[in-house]
Amino acid sequence: EVQLVESGGGLVQPGGSLRLSCAASGFSFSDYWMTWVRQTPGKGLEWVANIKQDGSDKHFVDSVKGRFTISRDNAKNSMYLQMNSLRAEDTAVYYCASLRQVDYAYYFEYWGQGTLVTVSS
Amino acid sequence: EIVMTQSPATLSVSPGERATLSCRASQSVSSNLAWYQQKPGQAPRLLIYGASTRATGIPARFSGSGSGTEFTLTISSLQSEDFAVYYCQQYNNWWTFGQGTKVEIK
Repeated sequence: EVQLVESGGGLVQPGGSLRLSCAASGFSFSDYWMTWVRQTPGKGLEWVANIKQDGSDKHFVDSVKGRFTISRDNAKNSMYLQMNSLRAEDTAVYYCASLRQVDYAYYFEYWGQGTLVTVSS
Repeated sequence: EIVMTQSPATLSVSPGERATLSCRASQSVSSNLAWYQQKPGQAPRLLIYGASTRATGIPARFSGSGSGTEFTLTISSLQSEDFAVYYCQQYNNWWTFGQGTKVEIK
């Protein structure tokens, strides 16, 4: 059974940092692009970042460029999202998900249960 | 950015009835369209990809259709476990989601 388990969320002050983790099991983690998606009541679901199988290619939504970094450790079947200079608008539930390729396109196949990040003073 | 617009925002349906959800893209996304189901407190679950292909384990009462800019998700006979929020997502040009359609019990 595929499992993705996020951790690391919590309450942080504006300008602070947080590191999210995503632990994968039940599939060959190193064979897949992985991604972070966040969800807020106001903006809905928003893709945040993704990372190639070997970590050599990474992409970010414009609103987090320069503040968030994404990484993975295939030996530990884990992915990470380092979030710096956090803002109130980063408050959301953050999900990790696996990407499945069909032709030249990728959709989100499996999702974790999410971890809540709250940015507030 | 491709904007995805779902309608209606809320759909009231009786168990056993058919539900038809719509999704429109601001520009063509070919068939690179997925549907997800989300229940309260849970993560989205993949239902349909490629506009019409059911994901593993998804019941046959769920079907998707469309291409280009107009898409439909049909639930042929609503079961109690189907009352949830449904999102469409395009993956033709990065990824964007619709705002969701809530299917509620009538």
